[in-house]
Amino acid sequence: GEDVEQSLFLSVREGDSSVINCTYTDSSSTYLYWYKQEPGAGLQLLTYIFSNMDMKQDQRLTVLLNKKDKHLSLRIADTQTGDSAIYFCAERPRNTGFQKLVFGTGTRLLVSP
Amino acid sequence: EAQVTQNPRYLITVTGKKLTVTCSQNMNHEYMSWYRQDPGLGLRQIYYSMNVEVTDKGDVPEGYKVSRKEKRNFPLILESPSPNQTSLYFCASSLGGGLQETQYFGPGTRLLVL
Repeated sequence: GEDVEQSLFLSVREGDSSVINCTYTDSSSTYLYWYKQEPGAGLQLLTYIFSNMDMKQDQRLTVLLNKKDKHLSLRIADTQTGDSAIYFCAERPRNTGFQKLVFGTGTRLLVSP
Repeated sequence: EAQVTQNPRYLITVTGKKLTVTCSQNMNHEYMSWYRQDPGLGLRQIYYSMNVEVTDKGDVPEGYKVSRKEKRNFPLILESPSPNQTSLYFCASSLGGGLQETQYFGPGTRLLVL
């Protein structure tokens, strides 16, 4: 299957860390992605990780990949109000010939002052 | 400025009245794609195109048509819209369909079918 699941909602206070989780079912996926959607806008690629990596860090963003459990997470350090958005994880399953980008349901992050 | 544009941004129509949503990119990208976004379902791919005159179905192609006569344009056609096609639609493009390719998304078209 190609289902990618996320929790729908996360609320944090400004300055805290946020952790957004994602589970996927297709172990053949080679790349996994995190996209951000701000209100009224399209999706913007935040970061991606190759399946042979466990962790990738990019400034305030840390991506952790647990291939055994098919679990992907995005940690945002020192969360700011400008980080409020919907975050989507996505994968490119090998069994689709890498032609399809399969998205999760999205997690709405609300950052309060 | 590199961008993907969609028109219209908002559209209200009635059941059965044919409509077209245009998508254009100025980055000379080969790969273009249409998605619909619905609450609780995330983004689902409707159609994609690897290059001019090359299109293929995504996950939810029923009720939609596309064409790719030019590299920069990838219109989405609803021949006979129905209320279940009320949704937020996104066009996206990337240089190729490869694993590391970044997809650039348009701003979205919100469609309401009455």
